[in-house]
Amino acid sequence: QVQLQESGPGLVKPSETLSLTCSVSGEFISPYYWSWIRQPAGKGLEWVGRISSSGNTYYDPSLESRVTMSLDTSKNQLSLKLTSVTAADTAVYYCARGDSGDRIDSWGQGTLVTVSS
Amino acid sequence: AIQMTQSPSSLSASVGDRVTITCRASQGIGNALGWYQQKPGTAPKLLIYSASRLQTGVPSRFSGSASGTEFTLTISSLQPEDFATYYCLQDYNYPRTFGQGTKVEIK
Repeated sequence: QVQLQESGPGLVKPSETLSLTCSVSGEFISPYYWSWIRQPAGKGLEWVGRISSSGNTYYDPSLESRVTMSLDTSKNQLSLKLTSVTAADTAVYYCARGDSGDRIDSWGQGTLVTVSS
Repeated sequence: AIQMTQSPSSLSASVGDRVTITCRASQGIGNALGWYQQKPGTAPKLLIYSASRLQTGVPSRFSGSASGTEFTLTISSLQPEDFATYYCLQDYNYPRTFGQGTKVEIK
């Protein structure tokens, strides 16, 4: 059974870069799809983007200019970078696995990132 | 982007009630829709995929159906552990889009 664990700084200053890592255990990164989804406190789920095991990416248009996703297959990890953050980027960030049809079927526990000076 | 309009935003129900939640897509998405359950402080959990297929391990009181661009999640007999927030997610194209969520509360 796949397990996903997000990690990274819980506090990021405005205008700086948010960097998160998701460690995958129980499965290899290939041949799955990997998404990042976020959830501001008390609000709904927001899809950030996804990366395929071959490195192909799709990002939400509202974040596309600031987001980069990547994979490290040697470590079985994926990463998220979000530049020029503001308070609006404060949220719980989840990594999630998509099956062969990129249907999201497994989630990490999430990590809270607060943007504040 | 495809818009997913979910209703109601909240509902109150009693144990044993039949509950239905609806998502309407702004365009055709075939059966490319999943339903997720989220309890406070925890990650969402997949209940239904491909509009009507029950994820392994999910109780059979949960079911999904589709009619055109309208999708329904039904809980046939609400149990205490079902009080949670439910989201739909279209996986037809990118960007993926979620419904706004339906909070199911105890009456």
